[in-house]
Amino acid sequence: DTGVSQDPRHKITKRGQNVTFRCDPISEHNRLYWYRQTLGQGPEFLTYFQNEAQLEKSRLLSDRFSAERPKGSFSTLEIQRTEQGDSAMYLCASSPKQGARVTDTQYFGPGTRLTVL
Amino acid sequence: AQSVTQPDIHITVSEGASLELRCNYSYGATPYLFWYVQSPGQGLQLLLKYFSGDTLVQGIKGFEAEFKRSQSSFNLRKPSVHWSDAAEYFCAVGANQAGTALIFGKGTTLSVSS
Repeated sequence: DTGVSQDPRHKITKRGQNVTFRCDPISEHNRLYWYRQTLGQGPEFLTYFQNEAQLEKSRLLSDRFSAERPKGSFSTLEIQRTEQGDSAMYLCASSPKQGARVTDTQYFGPGTRLTVL
Repeated sequence: AQSVTQPDIHITVSEGASLELRCNYSYGATPYLFWYVQSPGQGLQLLLKYFSGDTLVQGIKGFEAEFKRSQSSFNLRKPSVHWSDAAEYFCAVGANQAGTALIFGKGTTLSVSS
């Protein structure tokens, strides 16, 4: 399998601009996650998709954030009206289809580093 | 509240020496535990995981971890560290359900001296 890929790897933007990140999960992985990692911290969960359905969202995901996975394959994460506090690494992970009572093993992509000036 | 604590922010170990990275968790149900490693500019790579069964689990790159329920710990060990092991290590806990959000510790940075 090729791994999880994310694009772009780096993004520099000015405050107030909109940005969009893309994640391509491992082929046939039906579960997809977004996390945010700030300097000196571990990743923090943002949202989760099973196929095209967004099943869980963290309170960290403010109204300025939106995520989609329209065909159950790749996903996009958009941040509107960026703020300096949005500067972070945005990580995507995917996991294979398993039973509902089985914990996932999540495989992470390289991340997109966002810098908001 | 669910949480993961990695008490050591930064550890330096001599090459060839043994390593133990500490992880303590707070979780109301049966925890599912993971160790990931992150090299500069890279994503997280899974080292090992514990779901059930034998409390000593083997992972990649010669790492192992031991689950101790009585101490709420899941410490990572390696008998002989290589310079290429220098990286940041994260412990994480998840629930036994689909779509679990992993809760990560703040990480431990490992430096390896020659």
